[in-house]
Amino acid sequence: NAGVTQTPKFRVLKTGQSMTLLCAQDMNHEYMYWYRQDPGMGLRLIHYSVGEGTTAKGEVPDGYNVSRLKKQNFLLGLESAAPSQTSVYFCASSKQVPGTGFYNEQFFGPGTRLTVL
Amino acid sequence: SQQGEEDPQALSIQEGENATMNCSYKTSINNLQWYRQNSGRGLVHLILIRSNEREKHSGRLRVTLDTSKKSSSLLITASRAADTASYFCATDNSRGSNYKLTFGKGTLLTVNP
Repeated sequence: NAGVTQTPKFRVLKTGQSMTLLCAQDMNHEYMYWYRQDPGMGLRLIHYSVGEGTTAKGEVPDGYNVSRLKKQNFLLGLESAAPSQTSVYFCASSKQVPGTGFYNEQFFGPGTRLTVL
Repeated sequence: SQQGEEDPQALSIQEGENATMNCSYKTSINNLQWYRQNSGRGLVHLILIRSNEREKHSGRLRVTLDTSKKSSSLLITASRAADTASYFCATDNSRGSNYKLTFGKGTLLTVNP
């Protein structure tokens, strides 16, 4: 199993450009998440999805859009990049423990380092 | 807004010593988790403790949870240089099927050889 993969690993954008970050997981997890990590701020949730075709806003959703057309993929889009979106972006996935109503840990990808000039 | 807050922000110890990190949170939780992040890498899950548990062990890790004080601690015994990393607590206070975690800002642990 590859686990959670993210592409690209690095990207430099100019202000106003757009791009899409791709997250893929091969663990058949229902839940997927996009976070951003900034120095001294920990991880903040941007958007998440509780299943194919569903998305929801997290703590810092402004300036980002997401789509979950397939269960294994979760895309994060920046329509018009701004320097404030310079960050490291992490994708994660998780699943419910069958028959319990409990959720377990999240599995993280390696991250995408994005710089917006 | 940040739910969990780790303390201290940074900790430097010698190899072989124990390391203790604390996490405080604000609202009731379903579970609390600890993650490790090596420099330039993604987060890796270490241990999960549910709200009805008070202590949990995994190898050299010991986690305690005090729901009355809304706090948790992570103890790493007999530390090694390879334990050098940032450690984050994350709380699950979700309701229904909207499962999500709220992460703290982390503790940077440096273990000197």
